[in-house]
Amino acid sequence: GQNIDQPTEMTATEGAIVQINCTYQTSGFNGLFWYQQHAGEAPTFLSYNVLDGLEEKGRFSSFLSRSKGYSYLLLKELQMKDSASYLCAVREGTGGFKTIFGAGTRLFVKA
Amino acid sequence: EAQVTQNPRYLITVTGKKLTVTCSQNMNHEYMSWYRQDPGLGLRQIYYSMNVEVTDKGDVPEGYKVSRKEKRNFPLILESPSPNQTSLYFCASSRPGQGAGELFFGEGSRLTVL
Repeated sequence: GQNIDQPTEMTATEGAIVQINCTYQTSGFNGLFWYQQHAGEAPTFLSYNVLDGLEEKGRFSSFLSRSKGYSYLLLKELQMKDSASYLCAVREGTGGFKTIFGAGTRLFVKA
Repeated sequence: EAQVTQNPRYLITVTGKKLTVTCSQNMNHEYMSWYRQDPGLGLRQIYYSMNVEVTDKGDVPEGYKVSRKEKRNFPLILESPSPNQTSLYFCASSRPGQGAGELFFGEGSRLTVL
C-alpha cells in the first residue's frame, strides 16, 4: 500500500538550516515532490526528484534515495517567511499520475 | 495569468442539499484532481482525471461525483452532503510529461455541512 511519513512539527531559528525528512512506501514510483503551504493558502510547488541525488534550487535543496524510500528537504538561511507547512508527495503509476501526500510538517521559524 | 479557479471559496450548507464546487484552469492541462484537506490527515485525493471523459477514483471518493466534459473544467458534486464532508477542498491541475509535471492548486473551497 501507500504510506508517506514526515514529522508533524519542527522549530528552527532564523538564519539556521533545517532538514525535513520524508519516508515513503509506494508501488510504481514516478517522482517525489515537495510543496510549501502557508496557513490559509494553497500548496505551491518547491522541488521535484525522480532520480537519486540532490537537487538544489536557491536556499532549498531536496534529496532522494529510491532504494531507501527516503527524501529530505533542506532549507538554508531560514527566514521568518519560511514558517509554513511542507508537504512531501509521491507520484505513482506509469499510466495514471496519481499523487499521494504526506500529512505535512509544520515548520516554525523563531527569531 | 495562469491559474486554477474554484468557486465558491466558502460555503455553509445543510445535510442533504446538493451542491457543486466548480474548478476551471486556463493552462490547457490534461490532468485535473480534487483533494480534501483535514487537520492531521493532510491532502487526500478524491477523484482525478487524465483527460476529457476520463476520470478515476482517488482514496476517498465516497459521497462525491465528478465529470470532465471539457478540458478546462472539473466540477466536484456532492449529491447529498453530510457533516463528515465538512473540509477544505482543493482542485489542482498539471501537465504530466512537461518538466516536473507539478500540481497547480486553486485557492481552496472551505465547505461546512450542518
